[in-house]
Amino acid sequence: GQNIDQPTEMTATEGAIVQINCTYQTSGFNGLFWYQQHAGEAPTFLSYNVLDGLEEKGRFSSFLSRSKGYSYLLLKELQMKDSASYLCAVRDSNYQLIWGAGTKLIIKP
Amino acid sequence: DTAVSQTPKYLVTQMGNDKSIKCEQNLGHDTMYWYKQDSKKFLKIMFSYNNKELIINETVPNRFSPKSPDKAHLNLHINSLELGDSAVYFCASSQVDSGRGVETQYFGPGTRLLVL
Repeated sequence: GQNIDQPTEMTATEGAIVQINCTYQTSGFNGLFWYQQHAGEAPTFLSYNVLDGLEEKGRFSSFLSRSKGYSYLLLKELQMKDSASYLCAVRDSNYQLIWGAGTKLIIKP
Repeated sequence: DTAVSQTPKYLVTQMGNDKSIKCEQNLGHDTMYWYKQDSKKFLKIMFSYNNKELIINETVPNRFSPKSPDKAHLNLHINSLELGDSAVYFCASSQVDSGRGVETQYFGPGTRLLVL
């Protein structure tokens, strides 16, 4: 079967750095996405990786290793507004998005 | 302007009823989707649809049916509602960014369905 694994919940301090990991086992690979979802709101796009390596976008970076079936989302200079769930999703060989359950990130002052 | 909109935002109804959720996108996208997000926060795709093809997740009961009057709309009709249908339903649309080959999905605000 297809599977996306992420930690259920993480806690970090305002101003610090946090890394959210995602491992996947899918039938084929056509890209990995990270989405942010605030409580009671819709998911919004953060990043996309299809080749190995690091993609940086402001305070957020996303890394991919296809050989390891592994990605992480790195959030720097954490702000209280970063408290949200972070969803990892992989597009499989049929171009269907397979979603993880998300990691709830709690930011403390 | 709202890119992807859904109505209603909240829907409370009795078991056995039939209900519809509407979705509209003004992004000019070719593909639209319906997702179900349950209490455990898993996003599960129910349907993806463009002008040419409807792809149905085989696990979706046939009580659920998408209806697309035109390219900008994809409504979700649910027959004989059951308790287990209670969830948040998200509509989304997407278009391939030809420059990067990235297909980003834009989500509507969600419809919170509670079946009593």
